Amino acid sequence: DGGITQSPKYLFRKEGQNVTLSCEQNLNHDAMYWYRQDPGQGLRLIYYSQIVNDFQKGDIAEGYSVSREKKESFPLTVTSAQKNPTAFYLCASSVTGNLITDTQYFGPGTRLTVL
Amino acid sequence: GENVEQHPSTLSVQEGDSAVIKCTYSDSASNYFPWYKQELGKGPQLIIDIRSNVGEKKDQRIAVTLNKTAKHFSLHITETQPEDSAVYFCASIALRGAQKLVFGQGTRLTINP
Repeated sequence: DGGITQSPKYLFRKEGQNVTLSCEQNLNHDAMYWYRQDPGQGLRLIYYSQIVNDFQKGDIAEGYSVSREKKESFPLTVTSAQKNPTAFYLCASSVTGNLITDTQYFGPGTRLTVL
Repeated sequence: GENVEQHPSTLSVQEGDSAVIKCTYSDSASNYFPWYKQELGKGPQLIIDIRSNVGEKKDQRIAVTLNKTAKHFSLHITETQPEDSAVYFCASIALRGAQKLVFGQGTRLTINP
């Protein structure tokens, strides 16, 4: 998975609790991304960051929050406002935010289950 | 916004036969089309990509073709092997607003021995 680590691999939380998913990369990439994957659907973009201390909402940002205080780290918080949080979450990174020239590499994912 | 449709959702072929997965996209300005392979419990990995200045690209048993007029592109896997079994995703790049990849719904490919 190309220097991108996500932890934990499996995560369980009770309804109403916030939970933070970790994503770390040692590729020296500027851009990082969070996707959500549900069965039978493609990956949907939650948030992305093209540079430290800056991030943008993707297509399904409601109920999620992120921070980008360090280049190598892009944690995702799933808040209690997210109505259907059970899913497989994937973090990705690329050298820059120019996806025409730069390949996007994915981490191994975290499977979140809300009990 | 950009939309990508992928077919079929599941595909089962005999080992040694060929497999073809097709995608259509909506944004005529899109000019980059990657294909990702995702094995069970893992993140997707890029296997091949094509840019709109070429119509076909090959890498050993894998090839991708692009028809910009019809706005569709296809993944071809020849001489399939059991290790080709996985979920395959196509994507295109949305250029209106911030750049982002828009993914198809995925195809679960099963190679039968």
